[in-house]
Amino acid sequence: GESVGLHLPTLSVQEGDNSIINCAYSNSASDYFIWYKQESGKGPQFIIDIRSNMDKRQGQRVTVLLNKTVKHLSLQIAATQPGDSAVYFCAENRVLRGSGGSNYKLTFGKGTLLTVNP
Amino acid sequence: DSGVTQTPKHLITATGQRVTLRCSPRSGDLSVYWYQQSLDQGLQFLIQYYNGEERAKGNILERFSAQQFPDLHSELNLSSLELGDSALYFCASSVLAWGLGANVLTFGAGSRLTVL
Repeated sequence: GESVGLHLPTLSVQEGDNSIINCAYSNSASDYFIWYKQESGKGPQFIIDIRSNMDKRQGQRVTVLLNKTVKHLSLQIAATQPGDSAVYFCAENRVLRGSGGSNYKLTFGKGTLLTVNP
Repeated sequence: DSGVTQTPKHLITATGQRVTLRCSPRSGDLSVYWYQQSLDQGLQFLIQYYNGEERAKGNILERFSAQQFPDLHSELNLSSLELGDSALYFCASSVLAWGLGANVLTFGAGSRLTVL
């Protein structure tokens, strides 16, 4: 089965607080990770990505941390706003078995629902 | 608007029927991906096409098939539908195919299929 998972299915924060969404992965050969945000009624939207040769990457109000030792990924959202309320998915770029390394697929975790309270 | 267009947005049909979902990728993107999203399984990769050819297969059932046409739009055909096929079906596109360099997928808004 799929091995990208999330520690918490739901997260509720107050507006203005920082949010941390966690994700575990099991394939140490995965070389690329992406966080997606999915608002109600919409498709997943790219937030930020990170390659496996990096530990940290920052975007606008978001930071992704990668700990390869424990195979853990986190998304930090600073000064969380009501518009940040959505389901957040981590996705792992994984080599398909039997492809000889030529084919990859992006495997998604089940998602964490972030609710921002005003 | 992500630039990826999916039709229809909603579809209600009966068990045993066949439906076709359509996707137009973002301009300039050569690769199309299909994902199924259900409450209990999350986003499951079904199949990928790159420039008209099948590139990778995921958990796609034999009752399902897809193709990418010369104009790069793609169709996902779902046949002998069962209740459990009710889900959101997303199409995504990217400039390159996986394995040619990590790249970001742009998703459409999805087609919600309800099988009664």
